Amino acid sequence: GAVVSQHPSWVICKSGTSVKIECRSLDFQATTMFWYRQFPKQSLMLMATSNEGSKATYEQGVEKDKFLINHASLTLSTLTVTSAHPEDSSFYICSASVGNGYGYTFGSGTRLTVV
Amino acid sequence: TQLLEQSPQFLSIQEGENLTVYCNSSSVFSSLQWYRQEPGEGPVLLVTVVTGGEVKKLKRLTFQFGDARKDSSLHITAAQPGDTGLYLCAGARNSGYALNFGKGTSLLVTP
Repeated sequence: GAVVSQHPSWVICKSGTSVKIECRSLDFQATTMFWYRQFPKQSLMLMATSNEGSKATYEQGVEKDKFLINHASLTLSTLTVTSAHPEDSSFYICSASVGNGYGYTFGSGTRLTVV
Repeated sequence: TQLLEQSPQFLSIQEGENLTVYCNSSSVFSSLQWYRQEPGEGPVLLVTVVTGGEVKKLKRLTFQFGDARKDSSLHITAAQPGDTGLYLCAGARNSGYALNFGKGTSLLVTP
C-alpha cells in the first residue's frame, strides 16, 4: 500500500531556531500533500495544502512566513517551522491523497518541542 | 473551521458495554472516513463511506453514513480494553481534497 515516511519522529529545539520536517511518499507520487497540527487531546487541524511545483495554500490563521512549505518533487514535501517558539510545540502530521478515489495515507507524525 | 461536530468528546465505559459515536455536519461530504489514533502516532483508517445510507461492518464496529451524506455514526458492540483510543471522523468535499476532522472522541474501556 501507499506509504508516507515522515522524519524526524520527534525533535527538541531552542526558541528562535528553525526546524524542518520531511514527508516522503515511498511507492507513489504525491501531487498533493496536506499538513496538519495536533495539540494534546485535540483533533487534527489542517494547516495547509501543498501542491507539487506551486505555492502552498494556507488555512486561515496559519502564518505562511512562519510555516514554510516546499513541495519541489512528487515524492517530497517539507514543512519548516521558522523562529520556533514554545507555543509552536505540537504534533505535526502530513498526509497525501492516493489514487483517484478517497484514499488518504498519513505519516507517523513529528513531535516538536520548543524549549 | 470545524465543519464536523463529533460527540461525545470523552467516553469512559466498562468492558462489554456498547457505545455510539456521532459525527454531524451541515455540509454534504462526498466521503466520510473514520480513523483511530494512538498517542504519538498518525491516524489509522478504519473505514470509508461514500454512499448515502451506507452501512459497513468491521468485526464489532458498525459504521453508518446518513442518507443526506451529512452525518455518520460509529457503533461498537461489547467494547474491549483494546478499543481504547482516539476516534476521529473526517470528511472530504471531493476526491483528493483535504480531509476536515471532527474534534475526536477519546474512548477509555476499563476491564
